[in-house]
Amino acid sequence: DVKVTQSSRYLVKRTGEKVFLECVQDMDHENMFWYRQDPGLGLRLIYFSYDVKMKEKGDIPEGYSVSREKKERFSLILESASTNQTSMYLCASSPSPPGQEQFFGPGTRLTVL
Amino acid sequence: GEDVEQSLFLSVREGDSSVINCTYTDSSSTYLYWYKQEPGAGLQLLTYIFSNMDMKQDQRLTVLLNKKDKHLSLRIADTQTGDSAIYFCAETSGSGYSTLTFGKGTMLLVSP
Repeated sequence: DVKVTQSSRYLVKRTGEKVFLECVQDMDHENMFWYRQDPGLGLRLIYFSYDVKMKEKGDIPEGYSVSREKKERFSLILESASTNQTSMYLCASSPSPPGQEQFFGPGTRLTVL
Repeated sequence: GEDVEQSLFLSVREGDSSVINCTYTDSSSTYLYWYKQEPGAGLQLLTYIFSNMDMKQDQRLTVLLNKKDKHLSLRIADTQTGDSAIYFCAETSGSGYSTLTFGKGTMLLVSP
């Protein structure tokens, strides 16, 4: 059974803290994605990666960075968390070529106080 | 630019049919998807359709694609309370990468 796991379901951090969100997939997929989901705004793509050590900005990369040192792991980093980064964060992966189904993790609900 | 539009809310009674509509803008999209998100969970693929198809049926689900109007719909027959969820329409982007463009989601509420 294919699986995308995220390190935490719920996370509470303080303004200014550095936050790491981890995502692991066991399907040997080339592509991995980080989205944030907010009520009324749907899913917005933050960053994606199509290969190890490769990354591309999505629609809303400001305030975020990512790391992909191994194929199965894609990390989202908030260098200095702010209250407007309180959101649900969803990780996904997909195989190549483009247009394949994306498989989603369960999400991490991050609250920044 | 690319944009996917959906109505935000739909309410139906158990046993009725539900129709969720979506419009998209990228005529080069090769795949169009419907995802379902249950409360507190990630997204799960329900069904998809290739852009060269007009219709796809999968048990209680029927997807209709009108390429001329760039309109996609998802019909759920005999809707059950367990179908209550948020439904997202998504299209492949024209970027050449494996990114999808998602609509804002339609919340379906099924009452007994």
